[in-house]
Amino acid sequence: AQSVTQPDIHITVSEGASLELRCNYSYGATPYLFWYVQSPGQGLQLLLKYFSGDTLVQGIKGFEAEFKRSQSSFNLRKPSVHWSDAAEYFCAVGGSNFGNEKLTFGTGTRLTIIP
Amino acid sequence: DVKVTQSSRYLVKRTGEKVFLECVQDMDHENMFWYRQDPGLGLRLIYFSYDVKMKEKGDIPEGYSVSREKKERFSLILESASTNQTSMYLCASKTGGTGANVLTFGAGSRLTVL
Repeated sequence: AQSVTQPDIHITVSEGASLELRCNYSYGATPYLFWYVQSPGQGLQLLLKYFSGDTLVQGIKGFEAEFKRSQSSFNLRKPSVHWSDAAEYFCAVGGSNFGNEKLTFGTGTRLTIIP
Repeated sequence: DVKVTQSSRYLVKRTGEKVFLECVQDMDHENMFWYRQDPGLGLRLIYFSYDVKMKEKGDIPEGYSVSREKKERFSLILESASTNQTSMYLCASKTGGTGANVLTFGAGSRLTVL
């Protein structure tokens, strides 16, 4: 069965500092990987996705993530966070036959930004 | 942009009431999903549908049913609401088939059952 682990429940960083959010997945075949962000009281917005090709993917809002097959990881990074990045972040995994399969989400990491 | 609309943002219901949560998408997506979101548990899939009148159970279908009579509309039904169904409910949709398909979410419906 597919699964996603986000080991950090809550992370606090200073504005302007770098950020890395961890994500480990379990999937028996080639995974499709996603990062979503949820601002308070809102639905989820896609930050970036990995399907194939270059293992470093760029997303919106200056985020990037790197797929490492050997470590089953897909960590999210940003070189310099802004106060508006405070939100909850979800990693998710789906299969290459994702068309009619479900997407499995991690439990989320809440990001707090301090001035 | 794809738009997924959940008509009720906040609902308060009493134990035993029948509850309908409506979701409409405007981009002719084949697949629609209902997730439940709880603190510390992330998003858990309740039901999904890959075609009109088709439905598949997700990870936590107990206590819920769904209806998809039209392609653009996917309804979640709580036949007899209970307090443990107090939660945030998120609807999502995507195109079907294989390949690079992405979920688009609605803003969520926060349900409180008293």
